[in-house]
Order: sequence, then structure tokens, then C-alpha cells
Amino acid sequence: EIVLTQSPGTLSLSPGERATLSCRASQSVSSSYLAWYQQKPGQAPRLLIYGASSRATGIPDRFSGSGSGTDFTLTISRLEPEDFAVYYCQQYGSPVTFGQGTKVEIK
Amino acid sequence: QVQLVQSGAEVKKPGASVKVSCKASGYTFTSYDINWVRQATGQGLEWMGWMNPNSGNTGYAQKFQGRVTMTRNTSISTAYMELSSLRSEDTAVYYCARGIAVAGTRRFDYWGQGTLVTVSS
Repeated sequence: EIVLTQSPGTLSLSPGERATLSCRASQSVSSSYLAWYQQKPGQAPRLLIYGASSRATGIPDRFSGSGSGTDFTLTISRLEPEDFAVYYCQQYGSPVTFGQGTKVEIK
Repeated sequence: QVQLVQSGAEVKKPGASVKVSCKASGYTFTSYDINWVRQATGQGLEWMGWMNPNSGNTGYAQKFQGRVTMTRNTSISTAYMELSSLRSEDTAVYYCARGIAVAGTRRFDYWGQGTLVTVSS
């Protein structure tokens, strides 16, 4: 099973700042199978990025994904108030696994 | 528009079983896998398994093998997840999610609203 480790656990930033979230895999992951999700309290996760770097429908261009192999990054270029949430990376191998999440909180 | 609507909250006693439903609309139900993911309070996302609504084929996470069963009723575009021998650690929100494979990429593009299952004596 591929283990995904996200860092940092919590990111304290102010609106307008840049957020950089990391997802490291225990073994190589196909970029095609790497996705990022956003989850707000009391809500289901929402797909942000798939194929490591493609934005899902309706996702603003301040969200971007990059990386390959074992190291992947989600970047939010300028945080908006609605971006403060928990973010999960996921690999769609067999089995599917998720990272433990990074909470982006208001500083 | 694509929607996955799940059944309501459940309270079960230890040792019992629970069956959660996930009704799909806005697309051809048999064309995409349905996955189940759970989340204990304050915890991360845990994948439980998948089902192909067309064939009925399933694949379960090792942790849940022998306790989980995923089925469907194609006539009403509904998927089901049944978890047996419940224990307190199974208290969580259970989500269904549509799995899509397009142009070589794979992801969960639509999610149900979640169903809270509470296991308590």
C-alpha cells in the first residue's frame, strides 16, 4: 500500500498570502492518479486537482498542482477567505489511499 | 447535474449491521464506479472499497474484507454499502463518491453529502 505523507500538518497564513502544501509518497505514484481535495467543516470533500496538475471544473486558477514520482505540491497563489480548509492528496492505485490532510488556517 | 444523495443518519448497537444507500442522478449510473470513503470525527479520509455498478464487481480495502458488502440496484440507480459486526470505532461519516477514469487519469469527481453512523450501546 502506498502511504501518502502531507506536510505541514497545519499552515497558518493570512488572506492574500501564498500557500504551499506538500504530499510525499512512500513509492512512485503515476501523476495521472494523483488528486487533491478540499474539505470544509461539515461538508463532503471537493475535487480540486486531478492528474497532479489539472484543475477540476469550476476551480479558480489560483489553485495549481505540480510534481511527479514521489513528490507533489498544491499551491494556492493568493489565499481567499473561502480557501481556509483542510486539503487532502489521494493516489488512485490499488488500494486507493489518502494523505492525512493539511489544515490551512487563518493567522 | 450529477448528484449523489445518501440515506439518513443511523444509530446502531455494537455487533449490529448498517446499510447506507447512495442514489445517483444526472448521469448513467452504470457507467462509473462508486467508491465508499469514511471519516471519523476530526480524522482523515479512509477508503473502504469500490463497486462497478454495471458488472457488480467489487474491491474492498483489506481492513474491511469480510465485514463490508457493496451492492447496487440498477433499476433505481442506487448503490449500497453494508458494514457488519459494528464496533465503536466504526462511528464515522460515510461518503459515496463517483470514480471517474478519463484520458488516463482517475479521481473521485462527485461525492454524496455523507451519512453519519453512530455505534453506541
